[in-house]
Amino acid sequence: DTAVSQTPKYLVTQMGNDKSIKCEQNLGHDTMYWYKQDSKKFLKIMFSYNNKELIINETVPNRFSPKSPDKAHLNLHINSLELGDSAVYFCASSYSGGAYEQYFGPGTRLTVT
Amino acid sequence: ELKVEQNPLFLSMQEGKNYTIYCNYSTTSDRLYWYRQDPGKSLESLFVLLSNGAVKQEGRLMASLDTKARLSTLHITAAVHDLSATYFCAVALNTGGFKTIFGAGTRLFVKA
Repeated sequence: DTAVSQTPKYLVTQMGNDKSIKCEQNLGHDTMYWYKQDSKKFLKIMFSYNNKELIINETVPNRFSPKSPDKAHLNLHINSLELGDSAVYFCASSYSGGAYEQYFGPGTRLTVT
Repeated sequence: ELKVEQNPLFLSMQEGKNYTIYCNYSTTSDRLYWYRQDPGKSLESLFVLLSNGAVKQEGRLMASLDTKARLSTLHITAAVHDLSATYFCAVALNTGGFKTIFGAGTRLFVKA
């Protein structure tokens, strides 16, 4: 059974389009995250939700809007895609409190042309 | 602002050799993590270090944490080719929720 799953795995789209990435975890964790990994492999946190509540919102353009319908799901919607949005987006989950490792999904490779 | 610095960023080593990767961070924290990422793959947790002096070992990898020096090390003993990967350290800061800041990663290549 997959612990943290993301769909789609690959996403190729044109500038200006709107797209969504979905994430689900079946580990019973109460905290979920979105990370962006750029072409140099640098990993940066974008958002974090705890029990459906947004607790971390980094300096991310407001074209990015996360949504957590329940604590097992965290989706990411991106409006008006730009070339610079091309990256691998990872969803992760963990128990809260900072004392636990995060479990990462397989990643979604987004290419904006 | 918390900064996490790893060195070296690239490491090519022979099988059988030992080496250490260093992770320095700028703000007090006692929550440090090491992750491994294979090319084109996701991240996998290796170690969670939660107190000063913590040491954890798994196979040929050993991680330690010195919170006073704000330094963690990942020591590789008798490297084998299968250890080739990118290793990230990450530090969590309590900002009302724990924000995890990752280092830039150390790309390790072990030559047979």
